[in-house]
Amino acid sequence: NAGVTQTPKFRVLKTGQSMTLLCAQDMNHEYMYWYRQDPGMGLRLIHYSVGEGTTAKGEVPDGYNVSRLKKQNFLLGLESAAPSQTSVYFCASSLSGGGSYEQYFGPGTRLTVT
Amino acid sequence: AQSVTQLDSQVPVFEEAPVELRCNYSSSVSVYLFWYVQYPNQGLQLLLKYLSGSTLVESINGFEAEFNKSQTSFHLRKPSVHISDTAEYFCAVRNQGAQKLVFGQGTRLTINP
Repeated sequence: NAGVTQTPKFRVLKTGQSMTLLCAQDMNHEYMYWYRQDPGMGLRLIHYSVGEGTTAKGEVPDGYNVSRLKKQNFLLGLESAAPSQTSVYFCASSLSGGGSYEQYFGPGTRLTVT
Repeated sequence: AQSVTQLDSQVPVFEEAPVELRCNYSSSVSVYLFWYVQYPNQGLQLLLKYLSGSTLVESINGFEAEFNKSQTSFHLRKPSVHISDTAEYFCAVRNQGAQKLVFGQGTRLTINP
């Protein structure tokens, strides 16, 4: 049982390049989330999904797209990377979205955009 | 809208000393409250949570937090810290019935020998 895994762990992009971050969970969770973590700002929600085939915007969605074609996977895309997107990205999943259900986090992807 | 404020960005303490990490929230409805811990170069892990019932909740490694509704606080405490407690700690709140967690800015706890 690997929990939540993220690929890749590190990435350096040039401004304008694109990339996709992959999140996978093996806990049969319905909900999945993408956050970015910046110093002094905690975690901010980018996009989330309440089930296969659904996505919704979070607090800071601009510049990112997501897809949830399979229940176990949640992809985060950057179409044209900008230096402001330099951050650590965390994926999380939970059995359900409300109530007492905790979110389980992946180890993170450190992205640098030059 | 709900928000979370962690009053200290960094807290340095000596080993075996007590520590309190402060968290205040604002919300117009009832909430669930969480503390997450992030060890260096790792993701976040749930430390403890308040859902209902007793306002004092405990973790397996000696931390405790008390929900104070009148002061809208959920401070985290430990009577005696260890080097292994060095980490960043995040307070988070979810309105009952809502789907999203809102995180505080984080408090970096540094333990000095």
